[in-house]
Amino acid sequence: GDSVTQMEGPVTLSEEAFLTINCTYTATGYPSLFWYVQYPGEGLQLLLKATKADDKGSNKGFEATYRKETTSFHLEKGSVQVSDSAVYFCALINQAGTALIFGKGTTLSVSS
Amino acid sequence: NAGVTQTPKFQVLKTGQSMTLQCAQDMNHNSMYWYRQDPGMGLRLIYYSASEGTTDKGEVPNGYNVSRLNKREFSLRLESAAPSQTSVYFCASSPREGGSGNTIYFGEGSWLTVV
Repeated sequence: GDSVTQMEGPVTLSEEAFLTINCTYTATGYPSLFWYVQYPGEGLQLLLKATKADDKGSNKGFEATYRKETTSFHLEKGSVQVSDSAVYFCALINQAGTALIFGKGTTLSVSS
Repeated sequence: NAGVTQTPKFQVLKTGQSMTLQCAQDMNHNSMYWYRQDPGMGLRLIYYSASEGTTDKGEVPNGYNVSRLNKREFSLRLESAAPSQTSVYFCASSPREGGSGNTIYFGEGSWLTVV
């Protein structure tokens, strides 16, 4: 079945460091891919998405490119801030097209 | 914008008690979902409803029932709560069932503890 694998955290960085969170997927066909962010005590917010191969999703300085050849959707940011501290989830629309399948989440902690 | 609203936000239950989590969305979305979030497990789908009057099981439906009361509301019921159901529950909605580019919007979560 469809699945998403994310790098395990926590990821601890200093402010202005470069961020990469790896995400790979297994799916039939060409699913849409998503990154969601969860700040402490809150629900999930859509960060960015890509709907087809080679698409680049971007938002708030974060980027991810849909790589069909490597079945990956890695999240990157050139210069993280303390306010980026959160849990990040990679997800895809499942084969039936009925719901999101999530990775286990990666906790990012940024210190000043 | 209210978006997706869940109640209650926090609840403590005793083993064997029943309760219903309420969810409502004001975006005129067709599809609604209930997920649970557990440490190290990500989010797992409990039930979903592709449209008013229809419901289907997700990955972890055992111990739960749902009702799609109308297009706006989708409730999750625990008939006999167990400690294994201690979790954070998220309701979500989307404009349509699956499809390219579909985006799912989440409520703020309900923290449930079963003792």
